[in-house]
Amino acid sequence: GAVVSQHPSRVICKSGTSVKIECRSLDFQATTMFWYRQFPKQSLMLMATSNEGSKATYEQGVEKDKFLINHASLTLSTLTVTSAHPEDSSFYICSAGRQTNTEAFFGQGTRLTVV
Amino acid sequence: QKEVEQDPGPLSVPEGAIVSLNCTYSNSAFQYFMWYRQYSRKGPELLMYTYSSGNKEDGRFTAQVDKSSKYISLFIRDSQPSDSATYLCAMSATGRRALTFGSGTRLQVQP
Repeated sequence: GAVVSQHPSRVICKSGTSVKIECRSLDFQATTMFWYRQFPKQSLMLMATSNEGSKATYEQGVEKDKFLINHASLTLSTLTVTSAHPEDSSFYICSAGRQTNTEAFFGQGTRLTVV
Repeated sequence: QKEVEQDPGPLSVPEGAIVSLNCTYSNSAFQYFMWYRQYSRKGPELLMYTYSSGNKEDGRFTAQVDKSSKYISLFIRDSQPSDSATYLCAMSATGRRALTFGSGTRLQVQP
């Protein structure tokens, strides 16, 4: 299967700081990547759709100025959590799929803890 | 009402049992159906992918889609302790759109 790599797997940061999470497609080009958030014992909730070379599309209720998404190349999308607060602590997961089919592959996830 | 409903479990079975996991959905536009396995604190791993109605088999796993009933299933034969994980169903209306997930069913296979 396709490989999607996400980094870091775990990060602890102080309140008010910013954290960047990277999502890379290792063996295919992805014009579209997706960012999800997962709270403990809950399912994945779509935050935003990252489009290569254009602005991301955010889901209702997701602050675009707080969760900055950059998709500068066909293999890399980044999510930056700005001015992090403890309530931003969560598991963030990216996904990507090949252009030729609809299967979606997920990164390993990033556990963010804001203290 | 959620677009995708899935019993959260936990579902506990003995090793070797046949496991049946199910999801129902309300959006008739869904055409792509997937099952993911997620271990604790890890990203979801794609198990099965099905387009429209029908059955698909891969090793010990069988996925079924009944679009007329808006019901999908995943069967696991000869279940193993290593199958213990959370199983998430996911679906989308068109290709390359984001997925809508069920809440996940936690499965425990007892040795």
